[in-house]
Amino acid sequence: GAGVSQSPSNKVTEKGKDVELRCDPISGHTALYWYRQRLGQGLEFLIYFQGNSAPDKSGLPSDRFSAERTGGSVSTLTIQRTQQEDSAVYLCASSYEASGRVGHPFFGPGTRLTVL
Amino acid sequence: AQSVTQLDSQVPVFEEAPVELRCNYSSSVSVYLFWYVQYPNQGLQLLLKYLSGSTLVKGINGFEAEFNKSQTSFHLRKPSVHISDTAEYFCAVSDRNDYKLSFGAGTTVTVRA
Repeated sequence: GAGVSQSPSNKVTEKGKDVELRCDPISGHTALYWYRQRLGQGLEFLIYFQGNSAPDKSGLPSDRFSAERTGGSVSTLTIQRTQQEDSAVYLCASSYEASGRVGHPFFGPGTRLTVL
Repeated sequence: AQSVTQLDSQVPVFEEAPVELRCNYSSSVSVYLFWYVQYPNQGLQLLLKYLSGSTLVKGINGFEAEFNKSQTSFHLRKPSVHISDTAEYFCAVSDRNDYKLSFGAGTTVTVRA
């Protein structure tokens, strides 16, 4: 596709359930990011994948959060035992690498997660 | 680590009037600076970025921003806004040796006729 796509666009779940959010990056982009946007706040960095390197997980808020990227393309963000504080828009972004530097991220439309 | 402060959370403005969105950052190292826009029900789009060179950066849709190193600011301006500029605007910064963007809390611009 032409841009980053994410699914589902909206997810409503009950507290304590697990959820999986999917991201399809732009073809050819080697870097992939997950960010979280809580209501009225800026974006919080969660995790970064670049090629075959070990991911940077420094932004994950707890061990209930995990992410994987299969085949250097599609990524899944998993939240286990969801809490109401996890309610937010989860944004995925991807970027290319040129001249040894990662370019600016292109963002997907996000998944709006509501935990009841 | 960097941090970004957007000084105005809400900016109402009349159509064809100028607008300025203020952004200040703190960082101990050299940085790259970005402005992103989020239109209603859409994803983030890059408006403009400062990497190096001229401190006045021109972006899409008639927006421009000026990097002021001494004041650690990167304010966004447009001389004449349209209704279609109604959106949320985010300032972001990254370390030149890093890839993670730190975002401000956003400024909601509402353009009225």
